[in-house]
Amino acid sequence: DIQMTQSPSSLSASVGDRLTITCRASQDIGRYLSWHQQKPGKAPKLLIYSASSLQSGVPSRFSGSGSGTDFTLTISSLQPEDFATYYCQQGYSSPWTFGQGTKVEIK
Amino acid sequence: QVQLQESGPGLVKPSQTLSLTCSVSGGSIRSDGYYWTWIRQHPGKGLEWIGSYSGSTYYNPSLNSRVTISVDTSKNQFSLNLSSVTAADTAVYYCARHTGPLAVPPDAFDIWGQGTLVTVSS
Repeated sequence: DIQMTQSPSSLSASVGDRLTITCRASQDIGRYLSWHQQKPGKAPKLLIYSASSLQSGVPSRFSGSGSGTDFTLTISSLQPEDFATYYCQQGYSSPWTFGQGTKVEIK
Repeated sequence: QVQLQESGPGLVKPSQTLSLTCSVSGGSIRSDGYYWTWIRQHPGKGLEWIGSYSGSTYYNPSLNSRVTISVDTSKNQFSLNLSSVTAADTAVYYCARHTGPLAVPPDAFDIWGQGTLVTVSS
């Protein structure tokens, strides 16, 4: 199985901050990487697919980059509704696997 | 717009079979290029892919011997059966749509149900 490792596991930030979350795959996955946002008690929501493509309806302050084994999710200016847990997920080979999550909390 | 909704018992006894159904609305489950998927999340933990159906079935090897996913096209639904459950199977179970390489977006879990908590306890 491909292991996905996110860092950090949690962070505290303020509204307006620029935020970067890192995801590393245990082997080359090309650009088969998605990012999901999950709020408490809710289902995950697709933000980014193919490493850097913004899902329809997702604000442009979210962006993704990377290829191979190293990927990043950036939020350019954190908004109150962005406090949530973020997961990366590889779509290169089955079994599809997720990172352990990064919880973004209010400072 | 396609929507997914899980249904099924919230409590299952150990050693029994967990059975859930996902109803698809706003689109056909027979549409090409999609994999109808189950994912679970243990309390306070991360996400685990269970398996998918798209003509054929694909299961996570960690659960393979206990999992069955099936589709009822007449009802526009797909189902999950997980046999011989233990407390370790207590989780929120999500149904989701996984897009194939020619879809937009490609190769992504783009639509999720709201999730249903299943507790395994006697």
